[in-house]
Amino acid sequence: GAVVSQHPSRVICKSGTSVKIECRSLDFQATTMFWYRQFPKQSLMLMATSNEGSKATYEQGVEKDKFLINHASLTLSTLTVTSAHPEDSSFYICSASPQAGGYTFGSGTRLTVV
Amino acid sequence: GENVEQHPSTLSVQEGDSAVIKCTYSDSASNYFPWYKQELGKRPQLIIDIRSNVGEKKDQRIAVTLNKTAKHFSLHITETQPEDSAVYFCAARGGADGLTFGKGTHLIIQP
Repeated sequence: GAVVSQHPSRVICKSGTSVKIECRSLDFQATTMFWYRQFPKQSLMLMATSNEGSKATYEQGVEKDKFLINHASLTLSTLTVTSAHPEDSSFYICSASPQAGGYTFGSGTRLTVV
Repeated sequence: GENVEQHPSTLSVQEGDSAVIKCTYSDSASNYFPWYKQELGKRPQLIIDIRSNVGEKKDQRIAVTLNKTAKHFSLHITETQPEDSAVYFCAARGGADGLTFGKGTHLIIQP
């Protein structure tokens, strides 16, 4: 079946630094990938839609200069959290939609900013 | 944009009984409604989904119903087992391709 690989699974960074999270579709091409954020005991919130070869589309309230998205190939999208602060600590998870339909999720990245 | 409401937030049922979780959506253009089960710290796992051209779908102990007129859909789990304990999320895909999730239901199966 369709597999989406996400790395790293956990990362701890200092306040003010940047962190990059990678999302790869392993056995299918994804012109579009989705990035979600999930705070503890809350739901998944769509942050942005990543489009291969063009600019990402951000949801209302999500700062595009803080959450940089790059989708340079049909199998890789990256999310960079810039100048991270403790309030950015969260579970970030990517998703892609294979040809067969539905959505395949990555395993998620637990970001802790100290 | 799409708005998905999910109830209840917590549901406790006796093992062997049925559990029902309900969701409503706002965007009449939404056409895909998946249900996910999520263990703590893990990715959501698709348990069943339904498209807007279908009113009901069943997979063993799990079923989903969709009422497009009322804009609501429900998850039904019969003969509940301890391993059904988890957080369940409904979602809807509207005009954009990303999913809008409900707030989740913590299902507790009492032995």
